[in-house]
Amino acid sequence: GESVGLHLPTLSVQEGDNSIINCAYSNSASDYFIWYKQESGKGPQFIIDIRSNMDKRQGQRVTVLLNKTVKHLSLQIAATQPGDSAVYFCAENPDTGANSKLTFGKGITLSVRP
Amino acid sequence: EPEVTQTPSHQVTQMGQEVILRCVPISNHLYFYWYRQILGQKVEFLVSFYNNEISEKSEIFDDQFSVERPDGSNFTLKIRSTKLEDSAMYFCASSLLYGYTFGSGTRLTVV
Repeated sequence: GESVGLHLPTLSVQEGDNSIINCAYSNSASDYFIWYKQESGKGPQFIIDIRSNMDKRQGQRVTVLLNKTVKHLSLQIAATQPGDSAVYFCAENPDTGANSKLTFGKGITLSVRP
Repeated sequence: EPEVTQTPSHQVTQMGQEVILRCVPISNHLYFYWYRQILGQKVEFLVSFYNNEISEKSEIFDDQFSVERPDGSNFTLKIRSTKLEDSAMYFCASSLLYGYTFGSGTRLTVV
């Protein structure tokens, strides 16, 4: 069946280091992918997105890479800060409609050591 | 920055009771959604709503659930005859084109 999953449940990094969070998806028809950050007691917060016609997109301190060949998505956070500690979810839009449902992965906890 | 507002932040209800979760989407958004997240699990789609009707719903969204946009600003999720397994965080979201904005959620606890 269709699924979006994350390889590791937790990731611990030293403050100042770069973080890489990986995600695998199984629906090759998905054309839109998003990374969300969720802090305790809050809703998912948009970080960055990418369309399937791109393989890389950069934001402020974050980069998303998309490898459609192996159906893999990654989020890179440069110079990780304590405020980056949260649960990170990848999500895919499996339908072509811009506003159709999102399918979320299970989430990975990023813990930043001071 | 515009926000999606949800009330209440925490709702405790007895099994079998009805609850209404409320949301105020971003004012110029056209698409509205409800998702839920059982503790420690992933966020799951429940329903999407556009042009005053449901556009898509998941298998979770059975006859126990209903949504309504009673006026120009509110979007509600009603859960009839709540069950213990309905305990979860419920997130409202809205969008204009690509990219959702989520609210902070309502924690529903069914006892």
